[in-house]
Amino acid sequence: GAVVSQHPSRVICKSGTSVKIECRSLDFQATTMFWYRQFPKQSLMLMATSNEGSKATYEQGVEKDKFLINHASLTLSTLTVTSAHPEDSSFYICSARGPIQGANTEAFFGQGTRLTVV
Amino acid sequence: AQKITQTQPGMFVQEKEAVTLDCTYDTSDQSYGLFWYKQPSSGEMIFLIYQGSYDEQNATEGRYSLNFQKARKSANLVISASQLGDSAMYFCAMRGFSGGYNKLIFGAGTRLAVHP
Repeated sequence: GAVVSQHPSRVICKSGTSVKIECRSLDFQATTMFWYRQFPKQSLMLMATSNEGSKATYEQGVEKDKFLINHASLTLSTLTVTSAHPEDSSFYICSARGPIQGANTEAFFGQGTRLTVV
Repeated sequence: AQKITQTQPGMFVQEKEAVTLDCTYDTSDQSYGLFWYKQPSSGEMIFLIYQGSYDEQNATEGRYSLNFQKARKSANLVISASQLGDSAMYFCAMRGFSGGYNKLIFGAGTRLAVHP
């Protein structure tokens, strides 16, 4: 299957700083990327959907000024957690889909990023 | 609105036996897709199997099969001949065409433990 690379896999940052997470599609053009957040022992919660070249669409309750998403190219989307606080500590995972948008097209996931804010 | 329900927080199975993980869904879309993903402790999401709403045959992929009952809105995952490496979280997910972005909505997950 297609490969999606997410970096970093783990990051520890101080409260008040910003953290950038990258999601790259390595062997296909990702017209749509999704960002999820997963708390321990819970399910994946969709945060936002980004289409290349346009503004991201955020799910209800997700602060767009807190979680900045940039999808500037067909192979890269970034999630920046601004002014991080301990409650932002979580597992963040991205997924990407190519131009064919059929319902049966699987989403390819990155490896995830475990963010710890101290 | 779309919703996925997995009512089994945890399941145990003996190695080499079969296990069924339950999943029910709710959607107003006529066309939709159902997915199962495996998430080991490393966190990666591994795609297992897909079932389309118009598919008449149940999907199968190796030891994985999907028991699709459209009228009941259920899409249970059956793992045959369980292996120790099957121990992981399993998520049922659905994609419809609502919202225009083909969002993938996940259930709460079921933690499967395979005992030797």
